[in-house]
Amino acid sequence: QKEVEQNSGPLSVPEGAIASLNCTYSDRGSQSFFWYRQYSGKSPELIMSIYSNGDKEDGRFTAQLNKASQYVSLLIRDSQPSDSATYLCAVRSNTGNQFYFGTGTSLTVIP
Amino acid sequence: DGGITQSPKYLFRKEGQNVTLSCEQNLNHDAMYWYRQDPGQGLRLIYYSQIVNDFQKGDIAEGYSVSREKKESFPLTVTSAQKNPTAFYLCASRQGGGAETQYFGPGTRLLVL
Repeated sequence: QKEVEQNSGPLSVPEGAIASLNCTYSDRGSQSFFWYRQYSGKSPELIMSIYSNGDKEDGRFTAQLNKASQYVSLLIRDSQPSDSATYLCAVRSNTGNQFYFGTGTSLTVIP
Repeated sequence: DGGITQSPKYLFRKEGQNVTLSCEQNLNHDAMYWYRQDPGQGLRLIYYSQIVNDFQKGDIAEGYSVSREKKESFPLTVTSAQKNPTAFYLCASRQGGGAETQYFGPGTRLLVL
């Protein structure tokens, strides 16, 4: 069983729509969760981190965490073509020393 | 400028050759990491180091070696024992202690001739 699972996509949404990206994880003791954006050929850049159950908003981005369901999601409101990228979900291990990444979801925002 | 630098951007390896990828950070971060990324796959941990002169194997350490002689430097050697080295290699650092976030360098793309 993979530590972190994401739908690989591709996910296509029209400009201005809401994009919803999902992630599940296997380690019930995990406490820290991250969303990274990765443009083609580039390194990942942090978008959001979330540590508590519920929603966390930052501009057009909202991260949602449900530890009971072992589920993390990222919502992108008012999607822009510049949001087209691969989004990686990452989970910090229970021991705190390692981070596990999903395979990423490819998002395309259609103008 | 503060940040993480990786060099070279592209690296070509001949069969049987060892090659070393450089990773330097001036963020004064304690922890450093090496990941490998293959097409369609997530990042897989090769090695990580929490403090100078100490490092631990990740999930795919076979065929790789590292050193951590200085806080700011964490070079990765891809040895001839790594039979499928073609990948995008990413170095990351984290402040350490309770700090959660990893920051990534720009990456090195390794190709086999």
